[in-house]
Amino acid sequence: KAGVTQTPRYLIKTRGQQVTLSCSPISGHRSVSWYQQTPGQGLQFLFEYFSETQRNKGNFPGRFSGRQFSNSRSEMNVSTLELGDSALYLCASNEVPSPYEQYFGPGTRLTVT
Amino acid sequence: KQEVTQIPAALSVPEGENLVLNCSFTDSAIYNLQWFRQDPGKGLTSLLLIQSSQREQTSGRLNASLDKSSGRSTLYIAASQPGDSATYLCAVGGMDSSYKLIFGSGTRLLVRP
Repeated sequence: KAGVTQTPRYLIKTRGQQVTLSCSPISGHRSVSWYQQTPGQGLQFLFEYFSETQRNKGNFPGRFSGRQFSNSRSEMNVSTLELGDSALYLCASNEVPSPYEQYFGPGTRLTVT
Repeated sequence: KQEVTQIPAALSVPEGENLVLNCSFTDSAIYNLQWFRQDPGKGLTSLLLIQSSQREQTSGRLNASLDKSSGRSTLYIAASQPGDSATYLCAVGGMDSSYKLIFGSGTRLLVRP
């Protein structure tokens, strides 16, 4: 099976712009979670989706949003970008919405200038 | 609130040495614990998953143990190789409804030839 894929892999945006990142889970996996990784804060949970429903959301401002489509692919959107949003955004998938083994994608490196 | 700590933050060892990485967590009510490897700028690779009812898991030269009562897990790497150089992260899955992983800050390992 193909692994979790994320597009794009690298992105450079300007403050104030918005960005959309995409994640395709492993075939058959219906749960997708998003994490933000920064040198200062480490890995932090953003949100989790299962069957097109957001099940949980981390402690991030409303500028961070996401959605999941019927084919389990997920997108996350960040509006009004700030310099502090520069990070590696990681997507993980697993078969069910429970803390079973999670499989991570390669990430999208977002740089905000 | 669950907190995960990893000690040491960095470790440098000569090739061939056996080593232990430590992970501690404050709330013993966990569903499972997962060890990951991360190469610079890359995503996470799952190494071992230990369910809360298990005491240890082994994969090749890796052995992970879990002691829920003391809130500790260790990752043992036997006969280390330069290719083991990476950051190792542990993450706990909670038993509440959030199903998110709480990550430690990682141990950066360098195996010198």
